[in-house]
Amino acid sequence: DAKTTQPNSMESNEEEPVHLPCNHSTISGTDYIHWYRQLPSQGPEYVIHGLTSNVNNRMASLAIAEDRKSSTLILHRATLRDAAVYYCILRPRSNTGNQFYFGTGTSLTVIP
Amino acid sequence: GAVVSQHPSWVICKSGTSVKIECRSLDFQATTMFWYRQFPKQSLMLMATSNEGSKATYEQGVEKDKFLINHASLTLSTLTVTSAHPEDSSFYICSASAGHTEAFFGQGTRLTVV
Repeated sequence: DAKTTQPNSMESNEEEPVHLPCNHSTISGTDYIHWYRQLPSQGPEYVIHGLTSNVNNRMASLAIAEDRKSSTLILHRATLRDAAVYYCILRPRSNTGNQFYFGTGTSLTVIP
Repeated sequence: GAVVSQHPSWVICKSGTSVKIECRSLDFQATTMFWYRQFPKQSLMLMATSNEGSKATYEQGVEKDKFLINHASLTLSTLTVTSAHPEDSSFYICSASAGHTEAFFGQGTRLTVV
């Protein structure tokens, strides 16, 4: 399974943008890049995913490098509710062997 | 997003007994369901992957006779922890996915074995 590397922790001030990086240098051509976040004592929550092009949704934006070896999750205005552990995961585009393996993630602290 | 319901949210059981955890996808058909275990301050560890109507595929080191997984329909999967012991106490999380798209997670089950 392809691996991802994320910083262990990051801090952001409330109402400022946050850029969460993820390195995935061994990504294959059929791997989707997924982002999930987990609040304490809850199951993870889907944030966004993409393949090659940048993606936007109501929660965040995903910027994917041209060589796809890295990506950045962008929260445009951090709120206290965004404090969570953010996981960057690669998932093969396949009907089999398409498991989600979680790395250590980035713990985001939002400062009021 | 889609809703995945996991039940119960928490359970306390005596050592040696079995516990069943249910995972339901409420508004979509889940061709694949995943079961995870999470210890405090750690990341999620994938235990097994199940496809509807097929036997589950267990990750290395996970005892299939201890953690029984059934995925009888496109909306329901169950995890049974058999002969539970205190070291099985953990946060168990299920996830459901349709194909290779995003996955949706249950709220988790806190299992405490006393």
